[in-house]
Amino acid sequence: SQQGEEDPQALSIQEGENATMNCSYKTSINNLQWYRQNSGRGLVHLILIRSNEREKHSGRLRVTLDTSKKSSSLLITASRAADTASYFCATALRSGGGADGLTFGKGTHLIIQP
Amino acid sequence: DAGVIQSPRHEVTEMGQEVTLRCKPISGHNSLFWYRQTMMRGLELLIYFNNNVPIDDSGMPEDRFSAKMPNASFSTLKIQPSEPRDSAVYFCASSLGLGELFFGEGSRLTVL
Repeated sequence: SQQGEEDPQALSIQEGENATMNCSYKTSINNLQWYRQNSGRGLVHLILIRSNEREKHSGRLRVTLDTSKKSSSLLITASRAADTASYFCATALRSGGGADGLTFGKGTHLIIQP
Repeated sequence: DAGVIQSPRHEVTEMGQEVTLRCKPISGHNSLFWYRQTMMRGLELLIYFNNNVPIDDSGMPEDRFSAKMPNASFSTLKIQPSEPRDSAVYFCASSLGLGELFFGEGSRLTVL
């Protein structure tokens, strides 16, 4: 079953505008990650935020995490046509050593209109 | 440095045939994951390995699916016999610990 759910499912904005995507999850997490997928390609990691962090920045990306509401948001500022892609949140459940499979939502399909 | 390498990129086969998908993870990574992506179900985790040992295969849909990791640099996902509902894009990913996953470009499988 999927842990994270992105909202909205699809988003279309004009180039230069900001894009905000949200993610809700169900159980306690170790960290939450955002990925981008261009059409026909593999997923690419964007940013990781740990459960004890509230906000993180990377270039034009800003991620927030609210563990009390079990939600996260991804903000892309000053969007560009090249940002057109699907964006996924993924949660890691297990803390401590060892790997744990990330569970992904179904993604937000973002279209940037030139 | 090469990323995760998957083969084949595209596979078209007939129902009942055996399908083998291959993955070479990034050197030094100790975890390997197999995901399946469809429009209906999104990205599903099928199985993952840690230090070549299968940790959780609860996502493998049926006994027709099997995965192996004979060494740190190679893994296979096998479907035997294949069915049309197995049509999907299969991704392999590797990681070091609980950090980011590095995905391959995927193997697009079509079962007729």
